[in-house]
Amino acid sequence: SAVISQKPSRDICQRGTSLTIQCQVDSQVTMMFWYRQQPGQSLTLIATANQGSEATYESGFVIDKFPISRPNLTFSTLTVSNMSPEDSSIYLCSAKFADTQYFGPGTRLTVL
Amino acid sequence: AQRVTQPEKLLSVFKGAPVELKCNYSYSGSPELFWYVQYSRQRLQLLLRHISRESIKGFTADLNKGETSFHLKKPFAQEEDSAMYYCALRITSYDKVIFGPGTSLSVIP
Repeated sequence: SAVISQKPSRDICQRGTSLTIQCQVDSQVTMMFWYRQQPGQSLTLIATANQGSEATYESGFVIDKFPISRPNLTFSTLTVSNMSPEDSSIYLCSAKFADTQYFGPGTRLTVL
Repeated sequence: AQRVTQPEKLLSVFKGAPVELKCNYSYSGSPELFWYVQYSRQRLQLLLRHISRESIKGFTADLNKGETSFHLKKPFAQEEDSAMYYCALRITSYDKVIFGPGTSLSVIP
């Protein structure tokens, strides 16, 4: 199995600022994913991040707003840029390992 | 378009009663389906996948391609089954997983 950790676990931010969320996997994985879970909603895929290539964004999500880095096979970051209250959500990191998708504990973001 | 639906947002059953959480999907390719569970204050975790045809914690799910369904069943619900359940579909051409809206299961003692 793969164990995924995220930092920070939660944060409260001011409108217009940016937050970078870090995701660490204890195994080398090719594919990592970032999801958003808005209050009372299901998980929505933001982007797929493969090491060595540009992230692939889903419809409705753009790189300028959610830049992603994937510097190696165990680490990724997601930045939420120029935040507004609508960005308040739980952000989940996920990784595919041995044909199973594992999830991090999530980062709970509140934007004031 | 690919889509996963779970018609029940909330489902309450009594302990010992059978439980069925419904899931339907829309996908033109060969489907690969999963059930994920999220217990209170815990992270999302895989419960079972259709290709394994296994029973986990007494739960089973059968893929019905004719009805495009993947319902989750358990013959006798336990209190510890209370959780949020998500049905998920892997889009094999892009190797990404999309989730249904989820069903919150509450088992009444």
